[in-house]
Amino acid sequence: EAGVTQSPTHLIKTRGQQATLRCSPISGHTSVYWYQQALGLGLQFLLWYDEGEERNRGNFPPRFSGRQFPNYSSELNVNALELEDSALYLCASSPRKQGMITEAFFGQGTRLTVV
Amino acid sequence: SQQGEEDPQALSIQEGENATMNCSYKTSINNLQWYRQNSGRGLVHLILIRSNEREKHSGRLRVTLDTSKKSSSLLITASRAADTASYFCATVETGRRALIFGSGTRLQVQP
Repeated sequence: EAGVTQSPTHLIKTRGQQATLRCSPISGHTSVYWYQQALGLGLQFLLWYDEGEERNRGNFPPRFSGRQFPNYSSELNVNALELEDSALYLCASSPRKQGMITEAFFGQGTRLTVV
Repeated sequence: SQQGEEDPQALSIQEGENATMNCSYKTSINNLQWYRQNSGRGLVHLILIRSNEREKHSGRLRVTLDTSKKSSSLLITASRAADTASYFCATVETGRRALIFGSGTRLQVQP
């Protein structure tokens, strides 16, 4: 069974540009989570999608947005990039069991560098 | 925002010793999970403990949960060099639709 896949692995952008990151969840998983991890730090919750809808978002500005497609894959868009957006962006998927969030399966991440 | 705080931030032990990491959180939870991250890549789920459970085992891992103190501990017994990684606790807050991670403990196991 294929795991969570993220693309691209690395992305270099210039300040002010837009970045698009992609995530394909494990087959059968309807929930997709996005996290930002700055170098050496913990994971900051960005967004949670389930069944095609945004269910929750973390404390990030509106220039961080995304969507989930009918096949449950997801896209994270970051507009007007700033230097401090440089980080590892992690996507995870999970099945929803009886409305509960259970274990999440992570992709290997996209390393975004803003120069 | 981060729900949990891990303690210690960093831990260095010798192979064969036990490693204990602690996690404290702030609100009521549905469950608490522990994850491992190698070299800044994807996280791997280790174990999940529900709010009505007090202890859980999985191989060399033992997790405890004290909801009255809002804390959890992860014990790795007979550690190996391959256990070197960062370990994170994550909580699902009651009524909140998010899996929130703590700040992590960096474990170094010396061969």
